[in-house]
Amino acid sequence: ELKVEQNPLFLSMQEGKNYTIYCNYSTTSDRLYWYRQDPGKSLESLFVLLSNGAVKQEGRLMASLDTKARLSTLHITAAVHDLSATYFCAVAIIQGAQKLVFGQGTRLTINP
Amino acid sequence: DTGVSQDPRHKITKRGQNVTFRCDPISEHNRLYWYRQTLGQGPEFLTYFQNEAQLEKSRLLSDRFSAERPKGSFSTLEIQRTEQGDSAMYLCASSLNARYYEQYFGPGTRLTVT
Repeated sequence: ELKVEQNPLFLSMQEGKNYTIYCNYSTTSDRLYWYRQDPGKSLESLFVLLSNGAVKQEGRLMASLDTKARLSTLHITAAVHDLSATYFCAVAIIQGAQKLVFGQGTRLTINP
Repeated sequence: DTGVSQDPRHKITKRGQNVTFRCDPISEHNRLYWYRQTLGQGPEFLTYFQNEAQLEKSRLLSDRFSAERPKGSFSTLEIQRTEQGDSAMYLCASSLNARYYEQYFGPGTRLTVT
């Protein structure tokens, strides 16, 4: 059974600082997603990572994937208050429904 | 592209009542998924349709839950005899039937059982 673990689960940081969220998963997959969720809202797709070594960047966020280590990272550079949200990684099951298995989420709070 | 829509957005019901939610996927998407998200947790898979066929159901989907996608377009999720533990956000997602095509999520239906 595929398990996805994120850490940290809670992160409070100052504006302007850098930090990394980690996502480990337990079995082979060929797709990993990062989503953002604001309180009471649905999921906003941030990145789709499809291959080993994939790196994608959008603004102050950069995601990477190491399929051999079964690890993805979401790096935040020079954080700003607008990035405060909960971030989820999700790994796709290769077979069948290709459903997504989500991590527990990382609640990020960025203080001025 | 109007995106995935869900109705209602919020539902408050008393324990023991039945509720039904609707999901309208992106028009050309033939895959449709239901997930449930409880407070402070990531979404969990409930069930999956390819066109009108329900091909996979999670163990989370007790016999009080039923989902349909009668014409391969919109889908409904019904919960019978609701319990307080059913309180959650119910999310619908759709995708094309292509290996690397991502799932697009709707706004969700927040269910509160009192």
